[in-house]
Amino acid sequence: GQQVMQIPQYQHVQEGEDFTTYCNSSTTLSNIQWYKQRPGGHPVFLIQLVKSGEVKKQKRLTFQFGEAKKNSSLHITATQTTDVGTYFCAGRTGTASKLTFGTGTRLQVTL
Amino acid sequence: DSGVTQTPKHLITATGQRVTLRCSPRSGDLSVYWYQQSLDQGLQFLIQYYNGEERAKGNILERFSAQQFPDLHSELNLSSLELGDSALYFCASSVGPLGPKQETQYFGPGTRLLVL
Repeated sequence: GQQVMQIPQYQHVQEGEDFTTYCNSSTTLSNIQWYKQRPGGHPVFLIQLVKSGEVKKQKRLTFQFGEAKKNSSLHITATQTTDVGTYFCAGRTGTASKLTFGTGTRLQVTL
Repeated sequence: DSGVTQTPKHLITATGQRVTLRCSPRSGDLSVYWYQQSLDQGLQFLIQYYNGEERAKGNILERFSAQQFPDLHSELNLSSLELGDSALYFCASSVGPLGPKQETQYFGPGTRLLVL
């Protein structure tokens, strides 16, 4: 079945440093979504990417969808303590409505 | 607040028992999704309903079942519970059906199930 892996599993950064998480799918995706889950919270939708090579920005967050539509990345510039949480990518194949979530990257930010 | 409500927030029960988790989607959303989140398995898709009908199935055990009612709320039934069923169960909703904007999922706060 479809597998979506994320690396790293965990990253600890100092506030102000940059952070990147990578998402790799075993199959070609029709679109990919990113979610953030704060400790003790629920996943919150951040963004959806649909086109090959697409790049979208949300303030300090930059999302990319690979040319082959099998990988994606989320880059945070100048992290803040409010960025703490687990970031999940979630991919969809073809016309299926099922989302396969990645393994997640837990980000810890300290002062 | 996502607009998705789930009850109860916490549930403690014993092995072999049966429980029902309830979810009310955001107003106007027709699709409901159920997910299981455990430490070692991450966020696993269980099942999706759209306007009362099952639309997609994931890694849902035969001991688990779900339904979506005419008022669009959904229930997830877990029976013959085992220790390994202890997890956080999330419900999510979306407008549905497929389409870039229709499939954004909004998650509820979850139900934490502990099986002793």
